[in-house]
This record gives sequence, structure tokens and C-alpha cells, in this order.
Amino acid sequence: DAGVTQSPTHLIKTRGQQVTLRCSPKSGHDTVSWYQQALGQGPQFIFQYYEEEERQRGNFPDRFSGHQFPNYSSELNVNALLLGDSALYLCASSRTSGRPHNEQFFGPGTRLTVL
Amino acid sequence: AQKVTQAQTEISVVEKEDVTLDCVYETRDTTYYLFWYKQPPSGELVFLIRRNSFDEQNEISGRYSWNFQKSTSSFNFTITASQVVDSAVYFCALSPYSGGGADGLTFGKGTHLIIQP
Repeated sequence: DAGVTQSPTHLIKTRGQQVTLRCSPKSGHDTVSWYQQALGQGPQFIFQYYEEEERQRGNFPDRFSGHQFPNYSSELNVNALLLGDSALYLCASSRTSGRPHNEQFFGPGTRLTVL
Repeated sequence: AQKVTQAQTEISVVEKEDVTLDCVYETRDTTYYLFWYKQPPSGELVFLIRRNSFDEQNEISGRYSWNFQKSTSSFNFTITASQVVDSAVYFCALSPYSGGGADGLTFGKGTHLIIQP
């Protein structure tokens, strides 16, 4: 049973560029959440997707957008990259029905470096 | 707004010692969930425990135990007879209880636990 997978593992971009990160949820999960973890900090919630729509959103600007596909996989897009966007981006999946429905399983993350 | 405070930035103990990681939270929700996650150097967050706010029973799982006290808004984590493999960053997290699936988690800044051989 594959867990949450993310691609790519590492990414280097320059300021002003755009980036797309990808996530495949754990088998049987239908909800995907994205988190940003700056160095030495705890993860911060960006947004969550369920049924291909953004269900919840944290305190992040519109430069951060996402998408969920019919197979429940998800993408995180960041436009107009800033140096401060350098971080580990974590994807977490969960399921809406059944028990436990609120346990989030995390992927290994994508390390984004903005130069 | 929700907030999680882990006042201990780093703790270093010698192997086999017991160690307690503190977590204090703030929320206006009457029902909520509390979590502990472990983040080893590889970076992947590993789920350790979930506790809902209407169940204050403490829990023990092997060498791990958790003390939830709603009166002091604390959810502390104790490792008994620590081992070198326990070295990691530990995060306490909080989410509302919406009943409709997992909500976004609010994390503390983490406690870096170092177990010396």
C-alpha cells in the first residue's frame, strides 16, 4: 500500500518564476492538504482540496493556488516566486468518510529553493 | 484563532533517561483535536497520536505516553527510557472538530530532541 508521494524531491527556481508541485494521496484517501515548512519552523497550512474544490485555506496569498484531479491527486502552484517561498512543501492526505477520518498522512515533501 | 506553543526549542538527554515534551494550545473551539507528529531528519512527518477534546483519558503506547489536561490547555508527551532512534523534531498540532473530514492543522514550532548514546 503506497503512502503519500510527492514530486519532485528538490527544485531550484529564481525569483519571479512559477512552480508546480505534485502530490498523490494514500490509497483510499480523497482529501489533500498542503503545508509550507520554513527552515526551523512548524508546517503552516496552505489549503485543502476535496472533490476537486478548495475546501479550506490558510493565510497565504493568491499567488498560491492548487488543483485536485478526479483521481484525487493534487498540484500546488506558486506564481511570482519570492525568496521567502523557499521551504519544504508537504502534502498530506486523509479520507472524509469512515474512521479515522481526520488523520492526515504526510508525504516526504518537496524542497523548494528560490534564488 | 488557534495557537500551539512548544516552549522547548531543543532538549538533549542521555539514552535511557525519561523526557517530557511540553505543548500548550489556545483555541476558541469547544471541540477540537490534538496531535503529535515526529519528524526525523528525512523530513517526513510521522503521526504518533490523535486525541479529541472530549476524551481526557491519558494514553500509553509502549514507551510513549500522553497527558492531556483541558484545564491547563496542555497536551504533553513523555518518552520513557529514551533511545537514540527517538532523536527527531517533535511537533504538537491542533485542529477544529468539524466532523466532516480532516481540517487544516495548526502546528507548534517543534521541539528538537537529541538523545545522546
